[in-house]
Amino acid sequence: SQKIEQNSEALNIQEGKTATLTCNYTNYSPAYLQWYRQDPGRGPVFLLLIRENEKEKRKERLKVTFDTTLKQSLFHITASQPADSATYLCALLSGGYNKLIFGAGTRLAVHP
Amino acid sequence: DGGITQSPKYLFRKEGQNVTLSCEQNLNHDAMYWYRQDPGQGLRLIYYSQIVNDFQKGDIAEGYSVSREKKESFPLTVTSAQKNPTAFYLCASTGRTGEKAFFGQGTRLTVV
Repeated sequence: SQKIEQNSEALNIQEGKTATLTCNYTNYSPAYLQWYRQDPGRGPVFLLLIRENEKEKRKERLKVTFDTTLKQSLFHITASQPADSATYLCALLSGGYNKLIFGAGTRLAVHP
Repeated sequence: DGGITQSPKYLFRKEGQNVTLSCEQNLNHDAMYWYRQDPGQGLRLIYYSQIVNDFQKGDIAEGYSVSREKKESFPLTVTSAQKNPTAFYLCASTGRTGEKAFFGQGTRLTVV
């Protein structure tokens, strides 16, 4: 069956450290993968998109990698800050009708 | 400024009632999506539409209905057949490629 999985346990890290979140997928062949941030009670906000022919993408303190062999994307936040505390979701398109599906998200808590 | 607007922000429904959630976008996006989010859970796809007058069932379409009569609008009706409708509902839109989804601020529906 098709799955998109993120670590359901919250990730707790100290301010200044690098946070690494994982997104694994099964039985999909996405041309690209997306990452979003969601704050409590709000809609998700787009952060980054990485295509299958890109190994790595960066935006300020954010870095995303995409390994189509492992069927995995890693999302890194360097020099993390308490303001980075949120839930981070990965997403991909499935099927010919562009069905946009999301992982369950990983909650990140950055402690001062 | 372009964006996507959901209304109302809070909605209360009596048992046995149908209610309609509004979603309007002025981003000129072709695709629109409805998701349901339960506490501590990820986004589950209810319905999606790639073009006007066409829409597809998502993973949890039972008890819901939609229409796409205009490109800008994608209302969701929660029918009395939906046995557990209390949740946070999110509407999103994208261009044809499904990249960089924009989300509304969500509607929190409660059955009273």
